[in-house]
Amino acid sequence: GNSVTQMEGPVTLSEEAFLTINCTYTATGYPSLFWYVQYPGEGLQLLLKATKADDKGSNKGFEATYRKETTSFHLEKGSVQVSDSAVYFCALIFRAGGTSYGKLTFGQGTILTVHP
Amino acid sequence: SAVISQKPSRDICQRGTSLTIQCQVDSQVTMMFWYRQQPGQSLTLIATANQGSEATYESGFVIDKFPISRPNLTFSTLTVSNMSPEDSSIYLCSASLATDTQYFGPGTRLTVL
Repeated sequence: GNSVTQMEGPVTLSEEAFLTINCTYTATGYPSLFWYVQYPGEGLQLLLKATKADDKGSNKGFEATYRKETTSFHLEKGSVQVSDSAVYFCALIFRAGGTSYGKLTFGQGTILTVHP
Repeated sequence: SAVISQKPSRDICQRGTSLTIQCQVDSQVTMMFWYRQQPGQSLTLIATANQGSEATYESGFVIDKFPISRPNLTFSTLTVSNMSPEDSSIYLCSASLATDTQYFGPGTRLTVL
């Protein structure tokens, strides 16, 4: 079946440090890939997405590139801020047919804490 | 995109009681979903709710415990029935605009004593 694996957390960084959160997936075919972010006490927000190989999703300084050859979608940011402290979820979904999509499969989440 | 609201935002309930959570979307959507997020865990899909048909439940979730309604294209409810402390979780609804992207509500934080 489909699965998503994220790097072990939590991740603790100082402000302005470089961030990488690894995400790899197992799936047959070519899913759409997502990063969602959950700030403390809130629901999930879509951070970025990519729908095909070599696509790069970007938003708020975060980037992730869809790498088919390594089945990866690593999240990066060049300079993190305290306000980036949150839980980050990698996820995938397949098209089931027409405009219908299957189940969104999540990774286990990575807690990021950024200190001043 | 879609803006999703949920009510209540949090609740503390006694065991054996039931709670109904409401989810409202600001536009008509084809599919709505209900998830459970247990403390410190990822999201687990409970069921998919399509307007005009019965909800489709994932393995491990049953209609008697989590009845769902979907009366129109902008609204859904999830009831957590006969609650026990193990039901203490965040319950989130999401919606899809016939694309690959799901938009999430802010969640309902449930504590069962």
